[in-house]
Amino acid sequence: EAGVAQSPRYKIIEKRQSVAFWCNPISGHATLYWYQQILGQGPKLLIQFQNNGVVDDSQLPKDRFSAERLKGVDSTLKIQPAKLEDSAVYLCASSWSVYGEDEQYFGPGTRLTVT
Amino acid sequence: AQTVTQSQPEMSVQEAETVTLSCTYDTSESDYYLFWYKQPPSRQMILVIRQEAYKQQNATENRFSVNFQKAAKSFSLKISDSQLGDAAMYFCAYRSAWSGNTPLVFGKGTRLSVIA
Repeated sequence: EAGVAQSPRYKIIEKRQSVAFWCNPISGHATLYWYQQILGQGPKLLIQFQNNGVVDDSQLPKDRFSAERLKGVDSTLKIQPAKLEDSAVYLCASSWSVYGEDEQYFGPGTRLTVT
Repeated sequence: AQTVTQSQPEMSVQEAETVTLSCTYDTSESDYYLFWYKQPPSRQMILVIRQEAYKQQNATENRFSVNFQKAAKSFSLKISDSQLGDAAMYFCAYRSAWSGNTPLVFGKGTRLSVIA
């Protein structure tokens, strides 16, 4: 079974530029998560999708971050304009459903550096 | 809101020895799941072990075992016969069993070094 795919693996941009990350979850997984992991901290949820609907985006900075999951499969996370404090690893995860017993499978992450 | 605390930023262990990583959490819920994830330098989060709160028996997975103390809200990870490949960041995480909105809540992690 193929795992969660993410691209790019690394991205360096200047502040005020825009950037987009892509995630392809495990086939058949209805739930998709984007986490932000700042250096020295644990991952923090940004947004959660169930199929192509948003379940939770309460911690997404909506003035600069946006995310979509068209057709309930792939997802993109965009930052526009980027700030220095957005430097982090962005992890995508997927699971069969939203319920706690379902394991979340993580992708390799995208390391973003904003200069 | 639930919180997870890992009080040991760094730990080290000699190869073949045993090490215990600590985790405490705060919740008002009675049913939930607890996890330990391993994150090597490749950044891929790998599930090590999980514990259902309604189960009194501590979970074990080969060399990994937990000490789950529900009343104390404590969830420690014991790694036996440590190997060089165990070196990584270890994150303790909480997940509600009740809500349909169940993201993982992570601690800040413990960096484990294994000394040959």
